[in-house]
Amino acid sequence: DAKTTQPTSMDCAEGRAANLPCNHSTISGNEYVYWYRQIHSQGPQYIIHGLKNNETNEMASLIITEDRKSSTLILPHATLRDTAVYYCIVREASWGKFQFGAGTQVVVTP
Amino acid sequence: EAQVTQNPRYLITVTGKKLTVTCSQNMNHEYMSWYRQDPGLGLRQIYYSMNVEVTDKGDVPEGYKVSRKEKRNFPLILESPSPNQTSLYFCASSFTPYGGSEAFFGQGTRLTVV
Repeated sequence: DAKTTQPTSMDCAEGRAANLPCNHSTISGNEYVYWYRQIHSQGPQYIIHGLKNNETNEMASLIITEDRKSSTLILPHATLRDTAVYYCIVREASWGKFQFGAGTQVVVTP
Repeated sequence: EAQVTQNPRYLITVTGKKLTVTCSQNMNHEYMSWYRQDPGLGLRQIYYSMNVEVTDKGDVPEGYKVSRKEKRNFPLILESPSPNQTSLYFCASSFTPYGGSEAFFGQGTRLTVV
């Protein structure tokens, strides 16, 4: 079973920031938080991951709460091409399987 | 360009006719795996490989075989395909199997078994 809970869907206006929440209340100290997205039926695309600290790269920012029980993926300036299913995944440091849940369907509108 | 390449992208076959879906990565990754994606069930891991000649079952291995004779290649073999193996398949690779290493996914193979 997936270890994360995400909203089923959300809309975002083009050019605005998209904030995608994820709950992972049972996360343990050696588990990472990963975000992937899947555009239509293409292969999942890596976005970002983190362990404890907030992370930022050219695609997005990841904000992890201090207790690590939840996180938020921030797409700073959403474009129409960001329309996709976004997956929040908790992955053990010692093991490789990515457990994909249902994800959040994000629709960016003009 | 760093990538995971799957072939073919689309395949329609008949029940019982053996087929192989190839997967190749050019990043010198140790860890490779296969997933299938079905509506309402998400992505599920079929098989994985920690390194050359080391493979193991994932969550849904029945009806599939794999091999890892070279580091870059990880083919998925369906010896006797059945209609319930109609699905969208993804190959993935990562530098290591451990947390902190991101996985790269191929573009997918849509298989239809009639």
